[in-house]
Amino acid sequence: AQSVTQPDIHITVSEGASLELRCNYSYGATPYLFWYVQSPGQGLQLLLKYFSGDTLVQGIKGFEAEFKRSQSSFNLRKPSVHWSDAAEYFCAVDPGGGNKLTFGTGTQLKVEL
Amino acid sequence: GAVVSQHPSWVICKSGTSVKIECRSLDFQATTMFWYRQFPKQSLMLMATSNEGSKATYEQGVEKDKFLINHASLTLSTLTVTSAHPEDSSFYICSARADYQETQYFGPGTRLLVL
Repeated sequence: AQSVTQPDIHITVSEGASLELRCNYSYGATPYLFWYVQSPGQGLQLLLKYFSGDTLVQGIKGFEAEFKRSQSSFNLRKPSVHWSDAAEYFCAVDPGGGNKLTFGTGTQLKVEL
Repeated sequence: GAVVSQHPSWVICKSGTSVKIECRSLDFQATTMFWYRQFPKQSLMLMATSNEGSKATYEQGVEKDKFLINHASLTLSTLTVTSAHPEDSSFYICSARADYQETQYFGPGTRLLVL
C-alpha cells in the first residue's frame, strides 16, 4: 500500500545540536516530496520541496533535505537547532503531481535549552 | 505573497447546528482549494478537493452531505459542517493553489468544538 512513514513520533534535542527527522515513502514512482512545519494551533508552513534534479534541497530557516531513491527516503536536517524550531514536522508526498498530498503522522520536536 | 486566511479561527457550537468555515486566498486566485481535517496529535487527512465553479471531489469515507463545500469564486471556498455532532470537533485546515503554483499554501486553521 502507498504510505508515508515518519518513524519518530517525538524527538528531543539540545539547542545548538544537529537534527535529522526521518521520512520514508512507499510509492511506485518517485513522488513529489515536501516537508512542512506546524506550530501549536497553527496551519502549515512549507519548509522545502523536491520535484526533481539535485537530490539535496535547501529550504527556509536553515533546513535541508536529501532525497535518496535507493532508500525511498527524504530526511530533513538542520546543522544547529534553535529553540524556536520546536514544533511538529510533517513529511508529505504528492504521488501524481496533482497536488493531492498525503501526510506522514508527524514528528514532534522538543528543543532543550 | 501566497497568503491564505481562514475565518473563524475557532468556533464553539451546539450539537445539531451548522457551522460555516471560510477559506480565502488573499493575494492570488486559487483555482483549486483543499480541505483537511486534523484530530489532536494526528496528521492531516484530506477531506475534499474543490475547483472553482465545479463540485468538490470528496475522499473516501467523507460524507459530502455532511461537509458541504462551495468554491464559488477564485478567492473563496467555504466548508459547512451540517448538523454538527461532538465527533466533528476537530481542527479544519484549508489550502489553496493557483494553476501556476507548484505547491499549495495553507491557511492557519479553524478549531471547531461541538458541545
